[in-house]
Amino acid sequence: EVQLVESGGGLVQPGRSLRLSCTASGFTFGDYVMSWFRQAPGKGLDWVGFIRRKPYGGTTEYAASVKGRFTISRDDSKSIAYLQMNSLKTEDTAVYYCSRGLTPDTAEYFQHWGQGTLVTVSS
Amino acid sequence: SSELTQDPAVSVALGQTVRITCQGDSLRSYYVSWYQQKPGQAPVLVIYGKNNRPSGIPDRFSGSSSGNTTSLTITGAQAEDEADYYCNSRDNSGNHLVFGGGTKLTVL
Repeated sequence: EVQLVESGGGLVQPGRSLRLSCTASGFTFGDYVMSWFRQAPGKGLDWVGFIRRKPYGGTTEYAASVKGRFTISRDDSKSIAYLQMNSLKTEDTAVYYCSRGLTPDTAEYFQHWGQGTLVTVSS
Repeated sequence: SSELTQDPAVSVALGQTVRITCQGDSLRSYYVSWYQQKPGQAPVLVIYGKNNRPSGIPDRFSGSSSGNTTSLTITGAQAEDEADYYCNSRDNSGNHLVFGGGTKLTVL
């Protein structure tokens, strides 16, 4: 059974940093693109970014709203994807989800999601 | 602002058919996926690609598209279908993903 578990959320002051983890099980982690999404309280879903597989350079793509502040990385040996969030703003307050695509190599059709972790940016 | 446009709210009588639409220029080039989200829960993929349902999704859910508009149809809506529905696809660059603003479905 595919499982994704996010962790690392919490309360952080504006301008500070936080690192989220997405621990995966039930599939060959290194075969899949891993994506991050977020949902501000009472708002819709937003894509944050994704990281490709190592054979494709492990390259990343980011939404304009987080590019330059957020970094996605992966440790295939531990089956963990990370979301490093720097220079946090109040508007980054959201539940953050990690997800895996339906098939390897695709950053689309997200069948598997974690339960989410809440990040609150406030002074 | 979202590059995919959805109606904010739609209602349907129990057992009737409802169509939820998603419009965007990128839909002329890329398929969409549809997600159902209930309060406090993670999204659930209900339709992807041309018109595919993941295992476990009832066959009353279907998808279709024409031009820059993609639709999710629920034929014979049930009370448990009351939820927010989001469309998702690539943007015009093809490298980034975008969501519609979401449609809140009420089953009367």
